[in-house]
Amino acid sequence: GAVVSQHPSWVICKSGTSVKIECRSLDFQATTMFWYRQFPKQSLMLMATSNEGSKATYEQGVEKDKFLINHASLTLSTLTVTSAHPEDSSFYICSARGGTATDTQYFGPGTRLTVL
Amino acid sequence: AQSVTQLDSQVPVFEEAPVELRCNYSSSVSVYLFWYVQYPNQGLQLLLKYLSGSTLVKGINGFEAEFNKSQTSFHLRKPSVHISDTAEYFCAVGNQAGTALIFGKGTTLSVSS
Repeated sequence: GAVVSQHPSWVICKSGTSVKIECRSLDFQATTMFWYRQFPKQSLMLMATSNEGSKATYEQGVEKDKFLINHASLTLSTLTVTSAHPEDSSFYICSARGGTATDTQYFGPGTRLTVL
Repeated sequence: AQSVTQLDSQVPVFEEAPVELRCNYSSSVSVYLFWYVQYPNQGLQLLLKYLSGSTLVKGINGFEAEFNKSQTSFHLRKPSVHISDTAEYFCAVGNQAGTALIFGKGTTLSVSS
């Protein structure tokens, strides 16, 4: 199957700093990428949907100015957590698909963010 | 709106025993159903998916699931589990294969010897 990578796999940062997480589709062109957040022992919650070359669509309750998403190319989307706080600590997972909405999406391995 | 309910938060089972992880969904439109497995500190791995056609879907690692439209269920089964099947299992629904998915809360499968 198709491969989606995330970098870094884990990151620890100080409160108030910004952290960028990359999501890459390695062997296909991802027209759409999704960003999910997973709290410990809980399910995945969709944060936003990004289409290449367009502004991301955020789910209700997700702060656009705090979680900046950029999908500048067909193989890369980035999530920047700005002015991170301890409550932003979580597991962030991206998924990507090519083509149309009927195509299968593939998940990345996730990024563990810990804000001290 | 779509939603997913995983009826069991934890399922303990002995090695080589059969297991069923239950999933019910609600949707006003056609559904696409998925089961994913997540090992500790890892991402999601697709076990199987139902998009259309045969209601019995076979996936990886010996798992299978049956789509039951009348009961709005998509239960996951394995006839004989291994220690290595210990993980978190998520049922998910989407209105197309490539749209954002709605996930259930997950079921922790614990296999012991």
